[in-house]
Amino acid sequence: GAGVSQTPSNKVTEKGKYVELRCDPISGHTALYWYRQSLGQGPEFLIYFQGTGAADDSGLPNDRFFAVRPEGSVSTLKIQRTERGDSAVYLCASSFLAGSGREQFFGPGTRLTVL
Amino acid sequence: KQEVTQIPAALSVPEGENLVLNCSFTDSAIYNLQWFRQDPGKGLTSLLLIQSSQREQTSGRLNASLDKSSGRSTLYIAASQPGDSATYLCAVFPSGTYKYIFGTGTRLKVLA
Repeated sequence: GAGVSQTPSNKVTEKGKYVELRCDPISGHTALYWYRQSLGQGPEFLIYFQGTGAADDSGLPNDRFFAVRPEGSVSTLKIQRTERGDSAVYLCASSFLAGSGREQFFGPGTRLTVL
Repeated sequence: KQEVTQIPAALSVPEGENLVLNCSFTDSAIYNLQWFRQDPGKGLTSLLLIQSSQREQTSGRLNASLDKSSGRSTLYIAASQPGDSATYLCAVFPSGTYKYIFGTGTRLKVLA
């Protein structure tokens, strides 16, 4: 079946603007994760959803970042008042079941550039 | 706090060489370790996943080993090809968590 998809693939915005990044997980996967990858670094965890609720949002850098998954499938990562330091690739992943150690399948990412 | 280190940061080899990429982690309490490949501007492709109870996994020309007690893993690539050029990321899944901890990757270039 189809893998994890993310839209848009690229997003360029100006400092101070609001952006939304979308993730469509693999059909039937109950858990969804967001990671952020800065240039030259490995991905870093942002938030994890088990169904509709955020089970762990400890990786969100500050209150400008927020994510939702209202129906337990598609998720949207929302960034308010973007800053140049938010520029990165935002990766989404999903796993069939929630729980520790479950293999995660990654999407192609959204490259966010804040000018 | 779990930390993952990958050495070398970059590697350039002629086609046909066998090579080893190294990954070390500070806390041996992990569920599994996974190696990923990332092409420029692309997402992550899973290569091999080793459960904590396993010592190694093989797929084609790739072999990954895990020594949990010493906090080390290696990815062995046999008979390297230009198409192997990419960034290779190592990630561990710490016990009791829901997230991968990634290293910063090894950028591999295989010269034709």
